[in-house]
Amino acid sequence: AQSVTQLGSHVSVSEGALVLLRCNYSSSVPPYLFWYVQYPNQGLQLLLKYTSAATLVKGINGFEAEFKKSETSFHLTKPSAHMSDAAEYFCAVSETVGSNFGNEKLTFGTGTRLTIIP
Amino acid sequence: ETGVTQTPRHLVMGMTNKKSLKCEQHLGHNAMYWYKQSAKKPLELMFVYSLEERVENNSVPSRFSPECPNSSHLFLHLHTLQPEDSALYLCASSQDRDGEQFFGPGTRLTVL
Repeated sequence: AQSVTQLGSHVSVSEGALVLLRCNYSSSVPPYLFWYVQYPNQGLQLLLKYTSAATLVKGINGFEAEFKKSETSFHLTKPSAHMSDAAEYFCAVSETVGSNFGNEKLTFGTGTRLTIIP
Repeated sequence: ETGVTQTPRHLVMGMTNKKSLKCEQHLGHNAMYWYKQSAKKPLELMFVYSLEERVENNSVPSRFSPECPNSSHLFLHLHTLQPEDSALYLCASSQDRDGEQFFGPGTRLTVL
């Protein structure tokens, strides 16, 4: 079974400071990894995904994440935090469900709430 | 309408009521999902539908009953719910194997 651990349910950073949200995964097969963001009263929006191509993945809104197999990590970073980055962030790993259809079953972490301090 | 829409956005119901949640995707996708999001817990996948098969999470109680009449619509029928079923219910859809799921805004359900 696959699983995801997000270290820190709450993270606070000052505006303009580095954002680092941690994610570790376990998987018996090479994983697909994702970061989603959820703004208040909204659904989840995909930030970026790793699908076995480049280990450094760039996403929307200036975020990026690096896949490190040796550390089983996929931490999310942004060089300079903006007030609009305040949201909840979810790391997810995928496995396939179904017979020949191949849709991915996402297993999510518990989320990290990011607060930006003015 | 664009993307994935869900109605109603908020629902309050008693334990003896029967209600339904609706999801519609306007993306031409061929798979749809129901998730439950409870406070301080990971998102829980409840059901997956494709054109040809339904994959269930066996731990979902029978008081939740999904229906997928076509590839664009997904329902979640609710009956005799419990207060612990109060949560945000998210619908998503996807296409192909890249795992990118597009989520709706969710229905905030409160069971009294």
